[in-house]
This record gives sequence, C-alpha cells and structure tokens, in this order.
Amino acid sequence: KQEVTQIPAALSVPEGENLVLNCSFTDSAIYNLQWFRQDPGKGLTSLLLIQSSQREQTSGRLNASLDKSSGRSTLYIAASQPGDSATYLCAVSSQGGSEKLVFGKGTKLTVNP
Amino acid sequence: NAGVTQTPKFQVLKTGQSMTLQCAQDMNHNSMYWYRQDPGMGLRLIYYSASEGTTDKGEVPNGYNVSRLNKREFSLRLESAAPSQTSVYFCASSEFDRRNTIYFGEGSWLTVV
Repeated sequence: KQEVTQIPAALSVPEGENLVLNCSFTDSAIYNLQWFRQDPGKGLTSLLLIQSSQREQTSGRLNASLDKSSGRSTLYIAASQPGDSATYLCAVSSQGGSEKLVFGKGTKLTVNP
Repeated sequence: NAGVTQTPKFQVLKTGQSMTLQCAQDMNHNSMYWYRQDPGMGLRLIYYSASEGTTDKGEVPNGYNVSRLNKREFSLRLESAAPSQTSVYFCASSEFDRRNTIYFGEGSWLTVV
C-alpha cells in the first residue's frame, strides 16, 4: 500500500527566505507526483505535476524535483512571501492507469513579514 | 469559470439522519472523486467514478453511497450519519491525460452530532 509522508508538519520562516518542503513515498512505481496548495477553508489548487519520467518542474518561484528511485520529492520556494502561507500537500498517482491519488498530510507553511 | 461546485457548504446532522452532498463540474471531465479530510489524517478517497455510469470504492467507502448521475454530476450520500463522519468533504474532477491535473471544489463542512 502506497504511503506518502511529508516532513516537517509545520514550518515558519521569515519573508525572503528560500525554503524546501519534503515528500517521500514508499512505492516507487508511480505515474506522477503533484504538489498542491490549500488555503484555510478552501479546496486544493494544483501547483506542479511531475510525470514519472521527469526530474523536475518549475513554475515561477516554485521548483519541484522528483527522485523516483529513492521515493522522494522536494518543493523549493524561492524568496518566500507572506502570501505563500498555506498548507502544501504532496500526492502520488500509481502506475497502471489508476487515477486515484494518495496524499501526504501536508506541511503548514507560515511566512512572517 | 465555475470549475467544481459543491453544495451545501455547511451542514449539521443528527446521528442517524441521511443527506446527500451534491457536486457538479463544468469542464467535461470523465473522472470525478469524493475525498474526506480529517485533522492529522490528510485526504482520503471515499469513492471515485472513472466515467459516466461507473463508480468504484476508494480507501474509506463504508457508510457512503455515490451516484454518477451524468457526466457533470457526482453525488455522495450518507444513509445513516454517524459522528465519525464529521469531516470536510471535497469533490474533485480530472481528465486522465498526461497532464492529469485535478480540480477540487471548495469543500463541504459536515458535523454529525
């Protein structure tokens, strides 16, 4: 059974700092990995999707990497801003055409002005 | 752009009552999902529908039923609500392609007393 772990559970940083969020998964036979953002009281918004054949994806100040063999992904946020404060979730989709995502419990990020 | 719309947003039920959560998407997606999110547990898949007319169980289906009414709508029914079903429920939809971006609704907060 696929399990997804995110460390740390919470992170507080000063504005302007570069930071890394971590995600690990137990079964490397994945189809893709996604990073999501969730604001309080809201649904999830997809930030980046990495296919299993890719090593990284970038969008603006966000960069996500994938090391399938070691079962790890990182989300790098450059020059953090207070508006980046949210919970970030990682999810994997297994191979075999399954569309079901398995989620980590998330990292709650607070960026202090 | 409506995206994924869920109703109701908030609901309080008494133990043993029944209710249906409604979900509709306007993106012509084939796949739709129902997740629940609990503190410390992350998001867990309840049921999903890969296409109109098909449904399948997820990780935590007990106590729930679903109906894929048409391509747009996917409802979740609690036949006899229990306090353990107090949670935030999210509907989502996606088109299974190489991008596989998934879109979430804003959530439905359900309290069973």
